[in-house]
Amino acid sequence: GENVEQHPSTLSVQEGDSAVIKCTYSDSASNYFPWYKQELGKRPQLIIDIRSNVGEKKDQRIAVTLNKTAKHFSLHITETQPEDSAVYFCAATPRAGGTSYGKLTFGQGTILTVHP
Amino acid sequence: GAGVSQSPSNKVTEKGKDVELRCDPISGHTALYWYRQSLGQGLEFLIYFQGNSAPDKSGLPSDRFSAERTGGSVSTLTIQRTQQEDSAVYLCASSLDGTTLSEQYFGPGTRLTVT
Repeated sequence: GENVEQHPSTLSVQEGDSAVIKCTYSDSASNYFPWYKQELGKRPQLIIDIRSNVGEKKDQRIAVTLNKTAKHFSLHITETQPEDSAVYFCAATPRAGGTSYGKLTFGQGTILTVHP
Repeated sequence: GAGVSQSPSNKVTEKGKDVELRCDPISGHTALYWYRQSLGQGLEFLIYFQGNSAPDKSGLPSDRFSAERTGGSVSTLTIQRTQQEDSAVYLCASSLDGTTLSEQYFGPGTRLTVT
């Protein structure tokens, strides 16, 4: 099955700096890669996603890049703010059809702390 | 509109007891997922329901775990003979249509503590 590795496990930055979180996946059939943000005590929320037919996607201060050849994808947050502090999870879907279509395999999470 | 809701929010039970966790998905969402989040860990897939299709149970860790989805809406996750390693936050998510990679919306979770 799919295996997703996420690094680093913790990341500490100063306000205004950039933050980068990287994930690798094992199943070359995976074709959808969402990123979730989970604030302390709250539910995970989708912040950005990318599909295998594009290499990069941006949404204001957040961007995601995908390298299908190397089987890795990254989250980039620019001009970080204290409210960006949270746990970030990457995920991948291993199949393009069938009953496992929506099943997500998550990375272990990255605790991001943005210091004012 | 109303999001995904789960009940109870917290559950403390003694080892060996059975527990039932409930999930109310967003109205109209045909796909429903259960995940488990252990302390400091990522989310672990448990089971997936899509419409009237047979559920994908490939993530259930043992035969003590089972889930139902009645009428294509509410789902119940049952853990029989609970063990301490079952302690975790159990998250439910729903999406409009699981076959189109639509966004999964998560509920607030049920924190299960087995003593």
